[in-house]
Amino acid sequence: AQTVTQSQPEMSVQEAETVTLSCTYDTSESDYYLFWYKQPPSRQMILVIRQEAYKQQNATENRFSVNFQKAAKSFSLKISDSQLGDAAMYFCAYRSDLNDMRFGAGTRLTVKP
Amino acid sequence: KAGVTQTPRYLIKTRGQQVTLSCSPISGHRSVSWYQQTPGQGLQFLFEYFSETQRNKGNFPGRFSGRQFSNSRSEMNVSTLELGDSALYLCASSRDLRDTEAFFGQGTRLTVV
Repeated sequence: AQTVTQSQPEMSVQEAETVTLSCTYDTSESDYYLFWYKQPPSRQMILVIRQEAYKQQNATENRFSVNFQKAAKSFSLKISDSQLGDAAMYFCAYRSDLNDMRFGAGTRLTVKP
Repeated sequence: KAGVTQTPRYLIKTRGQQVTLSCSPISGHRSVSWYQQTPGQGLQFLFEYFSETQRNKGNFPGRFSGRQFSNSRSEMNVSTLELGDSALYLCASSRDLRDTEAFFGQGTRLTVV
Protein backbone atom coordinates (compact mmCIF):
# COMPACT_ATOMS: atom_id res chain seq x y z
CA ALA A 1 0.00 0.00 0.00
CA GLN A 2 1.09 3.53 -0.68
CA THR A 3 2.08 5.43 2.45
CA VAL A 4 3.34 8.95 2.99
CA THR A 5 5.54 9.85 5.96
CA GLN A 6 6.29 13.28 7.32
CA SER A 7 8.76 12.85 10.14
CA GLN A 8 8.68 16.44 11.40
CA PRO A 9 5.49 17.18 13.37
CA GLU A 10 6.64 20.77 13.94
CA MET A 11 9.15 23.13 12.40
CA SER A 12 9.95 26.77 12.95
CA VAL A 13 11.79 29.31 10.87
CA GLN A 14 12.82 32.92 11.25
CA GLU A 15 11.14 35.35 8.90
CA ALA A 16 13.16 35.77 5.65
CA GLU A 17 15.08 32.55 6.29
CA THR A 18 14.80 29.24 4.45
CA VAL A 19 13.21 26.05 5.77
CA THR A 20 12.93 22.54 4.37
CA LEU A 21 10.08 20.17 5.16
CA SER A 22 10.68 16.45 4.67
CA CYS A 23 8.48 13.82 3.10
CA THR A 24 9.09 10.21 2.16
CA TYR A 25 6.69 7.79 0.53
CA ASP A 26 6.43 4.14 -0.23
CA THR A 27 5.11 2.81 -3.51
CA SER A 28 5.70 0.11 -6.08
CA GLU A 29 4.18 2.21 -8.85
CA SER A 30 6.36 3.95 -11.39
CA ASP A 31 3.96 6.66 -12.46
CA TYR A 32 2.43 8.93 -9.86
CA TYR A 33 2.05 12.50 -8.66
CA LEU A 34 3.28 14.21 -5.52
CA PHE A 35 1.89 17.33 -3.91
CA TRP A 36 2.46 19.74 -1.08
CA TYR A 37 -0.69 21.30 0.36
CA LYS A 38 -0.88 24.13 2.87
CA GLN A 39 -3.67 24.31 5.43
CA PRO A 40 -3.85 27.66 7.27
CA PRO A 41 -6.09 28.23 10.31
CA SER A 42 -9.00 28.83 7.92
CA ARG A 43 -8.77 25.03 7.30
CA GLN A 44 -8.94 25.31 3.52
CA MET A 45 -6.35 23.13 1.80
CA ILE A 46 -4.34 25.08 -0.74
CA LEU A 47 -2.12 23.45 -3.34
CA VAL A 48 1.42 24.77 -3.01
CA ILE A 49 3.29 22.72 -5.57
CA ARG A 50 3.06 19.44 -7.49
CA GLN A 51 5.50 17.11 -9.17
CA GLU A 52 4.94 14.43 -11.79
CA ALA A 53 7.11 11.41 -11.10
CA TYR A 54 8.16 11.06 -14.73
CA LYS A 55 9.68 14.54 -14.70
CA GLN A 56 13.27 14.68 -13.50
CA GLN A 57 13.28 18.43 -13.12
CA ASN A 58 12.27 19.66 -9.68
CA ALA A 59 9.13 21.78 -9.61
CA THR A 60 9.36 25.41 -8.54
CA GLU A 61 6.64 27.95 -7.71
CA ASN A 62 8.07 31.32 -6.73
CA ARG A 63 9.54 30.91 -3.22
CA PHE A 64 8.57 27.22 -3.07
CA SER A 65 10.65 24.45 -4.59
CA VAL A 66 10.94 20.73 -4.17
CA ASN A 67 13.79 18.26 -4.07
CA PHE A 68 12.40 15.13 -5.70
CA GLN A 69 14.56 12.04 -5.33
CA LYS A 70 12.63 9.24 -7.05
CA ALA A 71 15.03 6.43 -6.21
CA ALA A 72 15.08 7.42 -2.56
CA LYS A 73 11.30 8.08 -2.62
CA SER A 74 11.86 11.46 -1.07
CA PHE A 75 9.98 14.68 -1.79
CA SER A 76 11.04 17.65 0.36
CA LEU A 77 9.67 21.18 0.20
CA LYS A 78 11.94 24.20 0.48
CA ILE A 79 10.45 27.56 1.39
CA SER A 80 12.77 30.48 0.73
CA ASP A 81 12.47 33.97 2.20
CA SER A 82 9.85 32.74 4.67
CA GLN A 83 6.96 35.09 5.37
CA LEU A 84 4.56 35.29 8.30
CA GLY A 85 1.77 34.16 5.97
CA ASP A 86 3.58 30.89 5.37
CA ALA A 87 2.68 29.72 8.88
CA ALA A 88 0.35 26.75 8.47
CA MET A 89 0.11 22.97 8.45
CA TYR A 90 1.83 21.49 5.43
CA PHE A 91 0.76 18.14 4.04
CA CYS A 92 2.65 15.99 1.60
CA ALA A 93 0.38 13.88 -0.63
CA TYR A 94 0.68 11.07 -3.16
CA ARG A 95 -1.69 10.14 -5.95
CA SER A 96 -1.61 7.78 -8.91
CA ASP A 97 -4.00 6.73 -11.64
CA LEU A 98 -4.78 3.59 -9.68
CA ASN A 99 -5.09 5.07 -6.23
CA ASP A 100 -6.78 7.87 -4.38
CA MET A 101 -4.83 10.67 -2.75
CA ARG A 102 -2.83 9.67 0.35
CA PHE A 103 -1.68 12.31 2.81
CA GLY A 104 1.11 12.45 5.34
CA ALA A 105 0.43 13.39 8.96
CA GLY A 106 1.45 16.98 8.36
CA THR A 107 4.11 19.39 9.61
CA ARG A 108 3.13 22.49 11.53
CA LEU A 109 5.29 25.40 10.41
CA THR A 110 5.75 28.41 12.66
CA VAL A 111 7.33 31.59 11.30
CA LYS A 112 8.99 33.83 13.87
CA PRO A 113 9.11 37.58 13.22
CA LYS B 1 -14.88 31.85 -10.74
CA ALA B 2 -16.40 30.50 -7.54
CA GLY B 3 -14.45 27.91 -5.57
CA VAL B 4 -15.63 24.69 -3.99
CA THR B 5 -18.53 25.36 -1.65
CA GLN B 6 -19.34 23.15 1.28
CA THR B 7 -22.44 23.51 3.41
CA PRO B 8 -23.01 23.77 6.23
CA ARG B 9 -19.72 25.03 7.67
CA TYR B 10 -20.50 23.81 11.17
CA LEU B 11 -22.85 21.16 12.47
CA ILE B 12 -23.63 19.67 15.86
CA LYS B 13 -25.48 16.36 15.99
CA THR B 14 -26.39 13.81 18.65
CA ARG B 15 -25.20 10.22 18.69
CA GLY B 16 -27.48 7.98 16.65
CA GLN B 17 -28.68 10.75 14.35
CA GLN B 18 -27.82 11.00 10.69
CA VAL B 19 -26.30 13.89 8.79
CA THR B 20 -26.01 15.04 5.19
CA LEU B 21 -23.19 17.26 3.98
CA SER B 22 -23.16 19.06 0.66
CA CYS B 23 -20.41 19.98 -1.77
CA SER B 24 -20.73 22.13 -4.88
CA PRO B 25 -17.65 21.79 -7.09
CA ILE B 26 -16.07 24.45 -9.22
CA SER B 27 -18.10 25.04 -12.37
CA GLY B 28 -17.00 22.59 -15.05
CA HIS B 29 -15.43 20.15 -12.61
CA ARG B 30 -16.91 16.69 -12.79
CA SER B 31 -14.93 14.81 -10.15
CA VAL B 32 -15.61 15.19 -6.44
CA SER B 33 -13.70 13.53 -3.61
CA TRP B 34 -14.44 13.49 0.11
CA TYR B 35 -11.96 13.30 2.98
CA GLN B 36 -12.25 13.04 6.75
CA GLN B 37 -9.72 14.93 8.85
CA THR B 38 -9.23 14.17 12.55
CA PRO B 39 -6.34 14.92 14.92
CA GLY B 40 -5.74 11.23 15.51
CA GLN B 41 -6.09 9.76 12.02
CA GLY B 42 -5.15 12.74 9.89
CA LEU B 43 -6.62 13.04 6.42
CA GLN B 44 -8.36 9.93 5.17
CA PHE B 45 -10.00 9.34 1.82
CA LEU B 46 -13.72 8.56 1.94
CA PHE B 47 -14.87 8.30 -1.67
CA GLU B 48 -14.63 9.75 -5.14
CA TYR B 49 -17.43 10.45 -7.61
CA PHE B 50 -17.34 11.11 -11.32
CA SER B 51 -20.30 11.42 -13.64
CA GLU B 52 -22.71 10.41 -10.87
CA THR B 53 -20.82 7.16 -10.23
CA GLN B 54 -18.71 6.23 -7.24
CA ARG B 55 -15.28 5.43 -8.66
CA ASN B 56 -13.32 4.72 -5.54
CA LYS B 57 -14.05 4.16 -1.88
CA GLY B 58 -11.89 4.36 1.21
CA ASN B 59 -11.89 2.07 4.20
CA PHE B 60 -14.93 3.38 6.04
CA PRO B 61 -17.99 1.52 7.34
CA GLY B 62 -21.20 1.38 5.38
CA ARG B 63 -22.67 4.12 7.56
CA PHE B 64 -20.77 6.50 5.30
CA SER B 65 -22.32 6.93 1.89
CA GLY B 66 -22.49 9.50 -0.83
CA ARG B 67 -23.88 10.40 -4.18
CA GLN B 68 -23.35 12.80 -7.02
CA PHE B 69 -26.00 14.58 -9.03
CA SER B 70 -26.12 15.39 -12.73
CA ASN B 71 -24.85 18.93 -12.04
CA SER B 72 -21.79 17.38 -10.29
CA ARG B 73 -22.89 18.53 -6.85
CA SER B 74 -22.24 15.85 -4.28
CA GLU B 75 -23.63 14.89 -0.91
CA MET B 76 -22.29 12.59 1.72
CA ASN B 77 -24.39 10.99 4.39
CA VAL B 78 -23.42 9.50 7.72
CA SER B 79 -26.04 7.44 9.51
CA THR B 80 -26.15 6.35 13.14
CA LEU B 81 -23.57 8.90 14.17
CA GLU B 82 -20.89 7.97 16.66
CA LEU B 83 -18.72 10.25 18.78
CA GLY B 84 -15.72 9.22 16.67
CA ASP B 85 -17.34 10.69 13.57
CA SER B 86 -16.57 14.16 14.88
CA ALA B 87 -14.20 15.58 12.30
CA LEU B 88 -13.60 18.10 9.59
CA TYR B 89 -15.03 16.78 6.33
CA LEU B 90 -13.33 18.14 3.25
CA CYS B 91 -14.50 18.02 -0.31
CA ALA B 92 -12.26 18.48 -3.34
CA SER B 93 -13.13 18.90 -6.99
CA SER B 94 -11.15 18.24 -10.17
CA ARG B 95 -11.91 18.72 -13.84
CA ASP B 96 -11.69 15.01 -14.56
CA LEU B 97 -11.30 11.75 -12.74
CA ARG B 98 -7.51 11.75 -12.67
CA ASP B 99 -6.81 15.45 -13.00
CA THR B 100 -3.76 16.08 -10.86
CA GLU B 101 -5.00 19.36 -9.46
CA ALA B 102 -7.66 19.13 -6.79
CA PHE B 103 -9.28 22.21 -5.28
CA PHE B 104 -10.58 21.94 -1.74
CA GLY B 105 -13.52 23.55 -0.03
CA GLN B 106 -13.33 25.01 3.47
CA GLY B 107 -14.84 21.92 4.98
CA THR B 108 -17.72 21.10 7.27
CA ARG B 109 -16.87 20.79 10.95
CA LEU B 110 -19.09 18.05 12.40
CA THR B 111 -19.35 17.62 16.15
CA VAL B 112 -21.19 14.61 17.53
CA VAL B 113 -22.29 14.89 21.15
